[in-house]
Amino acid sequence: DQQVKQNSPSLSVQEGRISILNCDYTNSMFDYFLWYKKYPAEGPTFLISISSIKDKNEDGRFTVFLNKSAKHLSLHIVPSQPGDSAVYFCAASWIEGGKLIFGQGTELSVKP
Amino acid sequence: EPEVTQTPSHQVTQMGQEVILRCVPISNHLYFYWYRQILGQKVEFLVSFYNNEISEKSEIFDDQFSVERPDGSNFTLKIRSTKLEDSAMYFCASSGAEKLFFGSGTQLSVL
Repeated sequence: DQQVKQNSPSLSVQEGRISILNCDYTNSMFDYFLWYKKYPAEGPTFLISISSIKDKNEDGRFTVFLNKSAKHLSLHIVPSQPGDSAVYFCAASWIEGGKLIFGQGTELSVKP
Repeated sequence: EPEVTQTPSHQVTQMGQEVILRCVPISNHLYFYWYRQILGQKVEFLVSFYNNEISEKSEIFDDQFSVERPDGSNFTLKIRSTKLEDSAMYFCASSGAEKLFFGSGTQLSVL
C-alpha cells in the first residue's frame, strides 16, 4: 500500500545547480505534505512543509510545489550545496502534526 | 533547540529476548510516535500515543509490541520476544500539533 511514492532512489547534481526531488501520492484526503532530510545514523529532520490549500511554499533555498490535480509534489533546492547531500523523504499527513506516511526516499548527492 | 532523545543508540539482542527502547520526547509535546526503518526500506509507522493511550497502530504493531509513558517524560517501546525481522532502526517522534520531531534512532540488531 504505497500511498506516497518517490520513484527516484537517487539523484546526482552539480554544486550550484538546481536539485528537483519528486513525490507522488494516491490518497486525495492528505492535507499536509512535508519533506524531511536524513543523514546516516540520524533521525529525519524537518525541512519544509505545505498545506493542501497552497501550491507553493518557499524557505530560503528550498521551495516545495504542490499540484493537487496531479497528486504530485516536488522539492526544489537552489543553489545546491555539497552539505545538502542526504536522503530526502517526502511525507504526507491527514492533519497537521499527525501521523506521517513516508515515501521511500531519494538519496541526493551534490558534487563539488 | 529542544530535541527528542533516544537510548540506547545501538542494541544487540538474541532472538526471543525482550528489549525496551527508550525515548524522551520534547517536554511540551502531546503526541508521541514510534516508527521503524528496515535497512534499505521506507520509514514505517508503528504506533501513535496521545493522552496516555494508543491512538492508532499499524499491522506491524502486533501483540509482541507495547508502548508506555511510565513517568510523564519517558516514552518506551517494548518488544516482548524479538524476531530476526525486528532488526531495524527505530525512531521515536513527538509533536505539539505541528510537525513531527524525530530522535536519532535506536539501531536494533536481533541475532
